[in-house]
Amino acid sequence: DTAVSQTPKYLVTQMGNDKSIKCEQNLGHDTMYWYKQDSKKFLKIMFSYNNKELIINETVPNRFSPKSPDKAHLNLHINSLELGDSAVYFCASSRPQGAQAEAFFGQGTRLTVV
Amino acid sequence: GQNIDQPTEMTATEGAIVQINCTYQTSGFNGLFWYQQHAGEAPTFLSYNVLDGLEEKGRFSSFLSRSKGYSYLLLKELQMKDSASYLCAVRDTTSGTYKYIFGTGTRLKVLA
Repeated sequence: DTAVSQTPKYLVTQMGNDKSIKCEQNLGHDTMYWYKQDSKKFLKIMFSYNNKELIINETVPNRFSPKSPDKAHLNLHINSLELGDSAVYFCASSRPQGAQAEAFFGQGTRLTVV
Repeated sequence: GQNIDQPTEMTATEGAIVQINCTYQTSGFNGLFWYQQHAGEAPTFLSYNVLDGLEEKGRFSSFLSRSKGYSYLLLKELQMKDSASYLCAVRDTTSGTYKYIFGTGTRLKVLA
């Protein structure tokens, strides 16, 4: 059983296009995240949702719009794609609090903008 | 602000022991996590410390000193499959909610 799954795994698109990445978790977690990992492998938080409510927006350009239809899903829509958006995007989920509450990651979506 | 530092690369020999250090600065510390990430894959959880001291899990151990803002991950009896990036992450509550802030990762190469 996949805990956090995201689709697609690979995405190649042209500059200026609009694309979406979907994420679903079956762990019953209340909190979900989007992270961006650049070519230097630095994993940077973009957004966090708790129970469908946006709680963290790390000064991401407004071309990026997350949407959480329910607490098990967090999708990421990107408008007017730019070359600098090329990266691996990871979805993650965790319990909002508690002793462990480690984040579980999806397999990543490698976005290449050409 | 929040800052996490760890060495960029380390090399060790199969069967040896390696220690990967991590220092952090945050005003809302709520736990330190270590993750392993193989090339092209997702980060996977290795260990968690919230109190000072050593947590042992098989070949892997993690240590935390909150007063020093310092942690290390100790890998014993290194195997070739341990070649990966190791990410130190702090769970931070400065913004009033939980978020995981990652260091840049330490790429470990295990040589035969």
